Amino acid sequence: QSVLTQSPSASGTPGQRVIISCSGSSSNIERNYVFWYQRLPGTAPKLLIYRNDQRPSGVPDRFSGSKSGTSASLAISGLRSEDEGDYYCASWDDSLTGLWVFGGGTKLTVL
Amino acid sequence: QVQLQESGPGLVKPSQTLSLTCTVSGGSITRGTYYWSWIRQHPGKGLEWLGYIYYTGNTYYNPSLKSRLRISVDTSKNQFSLNVNSVTVADTAVYYCAGQGGFGSRYGMDVWGQGTTVSVSS
Repeated sequence: QSVLTQSPSASGTPGQRVIISCSGSSSNIERNYVFWYQRLPGTAPKLLIYRNDQRPSGVPDRFSGSKSGTSASLAISGLRSEDEGDYYCASWDDSLTGLWVFGGGTKLTVL
Repeated sequence: QVQLQESGPGLVKPSQTLSLTCTVSGGSITRGTYYWSWIRQHPGKGLEWLGYIYYTGNTYYNPSLKSRLRISVDTSKNQFSLNVNSVTVADTAVYYCAGQGGFGSRYGMDVWGQGTTVSVSS
């Protein structure tokens, strides 16, 4: 059972906008940054969004992140077939001595 | 561009120690303020952070697993390693190594290895 909660699946057609949500708590998302990782089939995970809404260089502006309270969202606009893969949210959790916690992942299917 | 590659046995017997190594190429493991992590993913589950290490040897572990973990660094080989002792079938997972640009919650893991599958079975 992952500390952060994500819907297991999402889908959309090319060109659509898809939103992937991530729910946490006061010990993680509410007080710390949220990060999003993309794992495409057969590839290593890739940092997609850092510090809630920042894109590393090279990440298209079709990807955007936001955070409100204990929840966060990743929006993908202009959906492309190459976006199909797994998406994970992550945040630091301040409980105990602190640790990184992740969501269970959302499998995005481009129909 | 820094790349990471995990290596180690794909099969470990229950009660034994799982040992993996991550080799850093394209840059020094002592670069800047990078912290080097181990993360795993159980079959069909989400990601689980195990811990990280700085090149000086300072370590930080997942509290729930700390008693069974040891992360070490060998700067001469540009490698860092993970040992998990007393493994059970619950340690069967894909193990990733990754790096983040600083200590704590402000830095995401911006470099990852491809992952290596470890099965625990007799």
